[in-house]
Amino acid sequence: DTEVTQTPKHLVMGMTNKKSLKCEQHMGHRAMYWYKQKAKKPPELMFVYSYEKLSINESVPSRFSPECPNSSLLNLHLHALQPEDSALYLCASSQGRTENYGYTFGSGTRLTVV
Amino acid sequence: AQSVTQPDIHITVSEGASLELRCNYSYGATPYLFWYVQSPGQGLQLLLKYFSGDTLVQGIKGFEAEFKRSQSSFNLRKPSVHWSDAAEYFCAVGAPNAGNMLTFGGGTRLMVKP
Repeated sequence: DTEVTQTPKHLVMGMTNKKSLKCEQHMGHRAMYWYKQKAKKPPELMFVYSYEKLSINESVPSRFSPECPNSSLLNLHLHALQPEDSALYLCASSQGRTENYGYTFGSGTRLTVV
Repeated sequence: AQSVTQPDIHITVSEGASLELRCNYSYGATPYLFWYVQSPGQGLQLLLKYFSGDTLVQGIKGFEAEFKRSQSSFNLRKPSVHWSDAAEYFCAVGAPNAGNMLTFGGGTRLMVKP
């Protein structure tokens, strides 16, 4: 298995809703990442987990809450989002934070906040 | 901190013509360099990567890139473009002494004329 799987592929949520994005990989990668990508822009790093511990939080608002239950799973819990949070949310994984094999990206969750 | 510049926001080429996408980076040492491709609404797919050694790197889908330290460049090339190559292309740099975090360029949108 050489993929990163993200679910759901599309999500529409109201500003008072609570939802979660899920990311899964079975490549034995020990670093996992959440990126946010707005239309016609490059991905922007949100969070990094290394060996299931949060190692980087790029000053992301608290309405985004990451969780890494085990080495294969990464969740992003969403609560009280704003319309400007609408974007493509990409998950990625890599062998580790120092190994240099590149990142494997999932196909993303297209989030619309209404 | 590292940075990446992709000078061309849009490029249009005819099918069968050659292609070169430009990428310039800024980093104090030898970086790790990557090219990713993204089709609309999809995740990012790794085309090729450079860590060390031979400065001409072969990737998937017939792409290659050349690392030129003197010019701080890592341009992507393909000798004959296919209509299916139309997509967004991102150059990225990883910093070996900063946890190998990826920094993306702004992207180049490739359009292919029949």
